[in-house]
Amino acid sequence: DGGITQSPKYLFRKEGQNVTLSCEQNLNHDAMYWYRQDPGQGLRLIYYSQIVNDFQKGDIAEGYSVSREKKESFPLTVTSAQKNPTAFYLCASSSRTGSNYGYTFGSGTRLTVV
Amino acid sequence: AQSVTQPDIHITVSEGASLELRCNYSYGATPYLFWYVQSPGQGLQLLLKYFSGDTLVQGIKGFEAEFKRSQSSFNLRKPSVHWSDAAEYFCAAAPPGGGNKLTFGTGTQLKVEL
Repeated sequence: DGGITQSPKYLFRKEGQNVTLSCEQNLNHDAMYWYRQDPGQGLRLIYYSQIVNDFQKGDIAEGYSVSREKKESFPLTVTSAQKNPTAFYLCASSSRTGSNYGYTFGSGTRLTVV
Repeated sequence: AQSVTQPDIHITVSEGASLELRCNYSYGATPYLFWYVQSPGQGLQLLLKYFSGDTLVQGIKGFEAEFKRSQSSFNLRKPSVHWSDAAEYFCAAAPPGGGNKLTFGTGTQLKVEL
């Protein structure tokens, strides 16, 4: 079955460390997105990519980095510059056209700073 | 600025009662509209979407939504709520023809009393 796979489901980071969250999709979708979710704040866009080798900053990109070397993959790195990284991170993908418009989401990664 | 507003942060209903979750949007033109549901610790699942045409949209799990242009609203309804409907619900919108980046509301947490 087609879908989006996020790994790991739970991740623990020490202060000052960089960590990378994985997101892989086999839906042949062009666009991919990373959102951060905090209680009471809904979903906030971190980065998005509409085509391979291109990506744009979202609303809260500071302290994060991404790459899009393959259509299927869009990893997110949470750097030590992100001062409050503890959150639930969601990856999504979408087709650009027609009735497939709308996102398909992964099951999320919960990142905790220890 | 484009925005999506969900005025109710929390709603509690009794099992078997009807449900209406409110969503208002602010866009220059009628956007594409979506409702998603999220169970705790999970990703978001698409319930239904509206692009154009019939203003009453049927979705999965017995949900429906009505688009009202005059009120800039896209409220989600269910005639009889089940305990398994307890979750967080997100309304989202995207500009038609303007790319596929969704703007999400802050969510409504639904509690179902048995």
